[in-house]
Amino acid sequence: GQQVMQIPQYQHVQEGEDFTTYCNSSTTLSNIQWYKQRPGGHPVFLIQLVKSGEVKKQKRLTFQFGEAKKNSSLHITATQTTDVGTYFCAGRSGGSYIPTFGRGTSLIVHP
Amino acid sequence: DAGVIQSPRHEVTEMGQEVTLRCKPISGHDYLFWYRQTMMRGLELLIYFNNNVPIDDSGMPEDRFSAKMPNASFSTLKIQPSEPRDSAVYFCASSPTSGALGQYFGPGTRLTVT
Repeated sequence: GQQVMQIPQYQHVQEGEDFTTYCNSSTTLSNIQWYKQRPGGHPVFLIQLVKSGEVKKQKRLTFQFGEAKKNSSLHITATQTTDVGTYFCAGRSGGSYIPTFGRGTSLIVHP
Repeated sequence: DAGVIQSPRHEVTEMGQEVTLRCKPISGHDYLFWYRQTMMRGLELLIYFNNNVPIDDSGMPEDRFSAKMPNASFSTLKIQPSEPRDSAVYFCASSPTSGALGQYFGPGTRLTVT
């Protein structure tokens, strides 16, 4: 079955440093979604990418979808303590409506 | 809209007891999902419904787990009998048909089975 791998599992950064998490799929994806889960909270949808090579930005967050549509990345510029949480990617492939979630990358920001 | 509503928020029960988790999806959403989240296994999809019909329950760990959706505004996840290894956070999520805006997760039910 489809597998979605995310790296790294954890990332510690000093406030102000950049952060990147990577998502890789074993199959070609029709689209990929990104979610953020704050500690003790629930996953919250951030964005969906559909097109090959697509790049979208939300303030300090930059999302990319690979040319082959098998990988994606989320980059945060100049992290803040409010960025703390776990970032999940979720990829959909083929005709499946249901996305497969990665294990997530937990971001810890030290002030 | 109030978002996805789940109850209870916390549940502590003894091994062998029946546990029922409840979910009210966002009005107008066609899809409803039940997830389980643990440190060891991450976020696991247990079952999902489309227009109140169960579509895929392959993620349900075993026969002790069952889920129902009697109408568009209510779903339950039942564990009977519960075991300590069922301890986890259970999320309900809903989404509209297009899925372009992702899934809307409820606040979750933290289940502890002693």
